[in-house]
Amino acid sequence: QSALTQPASVSGSPGQSITISCTGTSSDVGSYNLVSWYQQHPGKAPKLMIYEGTKRPSGVSNRFSGSKSGNTASLTISGLQAEDETDYYCCSYAGRSNWVFGGGTKLTVL
Amino acid sequence: EVQVVESGGGLVQPGGSLRLSCSASGFIFSNYVMHWVRQAPGKGLEYVSTIHPDGDETRYADSVKGRFTISRDNSKDTLYLQMSSLRAEDTAVYYCVKDLTGFFAFDYWGQGTLVTVSS
Repeated sequence: QSALTQPASVSGSPGQSITISCTGTSSDVGSYNLVSWYQQHPGKAPKLMIYEGTKRPSGVSNRFSGSKSGNTASLTISGLQAEDETDYYCCSYAGRSNWVFGGGTKLTVL
Repeated sequence: EVQVVESGGGLVQPGGSLRLSCSASGFIFSNYVMHWVRQAPGKGLEYVSTIHPDGDETRYADSVKGRFTISRDNSKDTLYLQMSSLRAEDTAVYYCVKDLTGFFAFDYWGQGTLVTVSS
C-alpha cells in the first residue's frame, strides 16, 4: 500500500484560507468516504481534526473543513491563525482493517 | 478524561525483541478497537497494527507482519505490542491509539514511546 500524496509544504497569511490536498487511489480515498486529518505540533501527539471526510470532532474549530472529489481529499483552513502553523497528515481507510497515511504537509503562516 | 499511556520503549540491538505496553483509562477499554501507529524520526505517520475488542481479530501492516504481535488484556485495560526481529527501520516513536468507533479514524493518541534499533 503506497502512501497518500500530500504537498510537502503550503503557506498563507493570517486571515487567508489554504487548502491541503491528499491524493490516493481508487483502492483507498476513491473507494471510501473515510478520510481523516490530523494536526501534529512538534514533539506532540497527533490530534484528530476531521473524520469521515467532512466531520469535525467536538472542540475542533469550524475554521477546519474537509472535502473529497474522486481520489483526492482536501483539508481547508479558513481565517488562518499563527497557531495553525504546524504539520498536517491525511489518512484513508483502505479496506480489510488497513489504513494508509499521507506523507504530511508543513503549514507556514507568513 | 480519555488517556492512553505508552511504555516499554528503549534501545535494542538489531534482531532483538521488545514489548510495548499501553495503559488506558477514561473509557471502557474492552469495548474499543485499538491500534498502534508509528513515526520514524523526522518522518510521517505509519499504520502498524489493529486489534478488535475481544482480541479475536488482528491486523498488521506488511512491513511488520510476522515480526510484531498485538494483544490486549481487557482485565488490565492494557494494550501490548510484542516486537521481534527488530530492524533499524523499525526505529520510531510508537503511538497507542484509540479507535473512533464506526468511523475508521483515530481519536485519542498517547504521547508515544521511542524505540531505537541500533548496535
